[in-house]
Amino acid sequence: NAGVTQTPKFQVLKTGQSMTLQCAQDMNHNSMYWYRQDPGMGLRLIYYSASEGTTDKGEVPNGYNVSRLNKREFSLRLESAAPSQTSVYFCASVRDGYQPQHFGDGTRLSIL
Amino acid sequence: DQQVKQNSPSLSVQEGRISILNCDYTNSMFDYFLWYKKYPAEGPTFLISISSIKDKNEDGRFTVFLNKSAKHLSLHIVPSQPGDSAVYFCAASLYNFNKFYFGSGTKLNVKP
Repeated sequence: NAGVTQTPKFQVLKTGQSMTLQCAQDMNHNSMYWYRQDPGMGLRLIYYSASEGTTDKGEVPNGYNVSRLNKREFSLRLESAAPSQTSVYFCASVRDGYQPQHFGDGTRLSIL
Repeated sequence: DQQVKQNSPSLSVQEGRISILNCDYTNSMFDYFLWYKKYPAEGPTFLISISSIKDKNEDGRFTVFLNKSAKHLSLHIVPSQPGDSAVYFCAASLYNFNKFYFGSGTKLNVKP
């Protein structure tokens, strides 16, 4: 009963390095989301995918790219990491309509 | 511009008393509202929701109230328990767009 699984759980990068955050869900959900959480800012939407094969920008997409690899997997890529991208990143999924999102446990990313 | 606002960053309540967490929103088109609970180092977990056709929804000790004219949402926890100590996020969505907008969170501390 995994739900939403995020890897890695922790990562430290140097400025300019790249990395991909992985997210997978096993609930056959249609929509998937990437958020970042910063102190006092709540959860801000980076990108989302309403269905397999589609992706759309959220509130704070700059510096990020995403791939909806298949229905289960939605990855977030930082091409050239910056200290401002130090944050906790959450992946979420939802079936559709009037349903709550299910969240992973987050990836804690520090960029030095 | 934040569409969902939680103006109280923190709330402290005595065990057994009522906790009332508040949330305001600006977009009158929102038609689905949710509350999530978040413990440190974990992802948010769904607590309770309400659609815009209702003004109240109960689930055990948790009740959500919706005042559409005031664009105001509240969560009542009665009686409050120490295990309720967490950060609470309210969220709102538009059915057709499948996007969720989150408040900045209220940290609840229930004192034994």
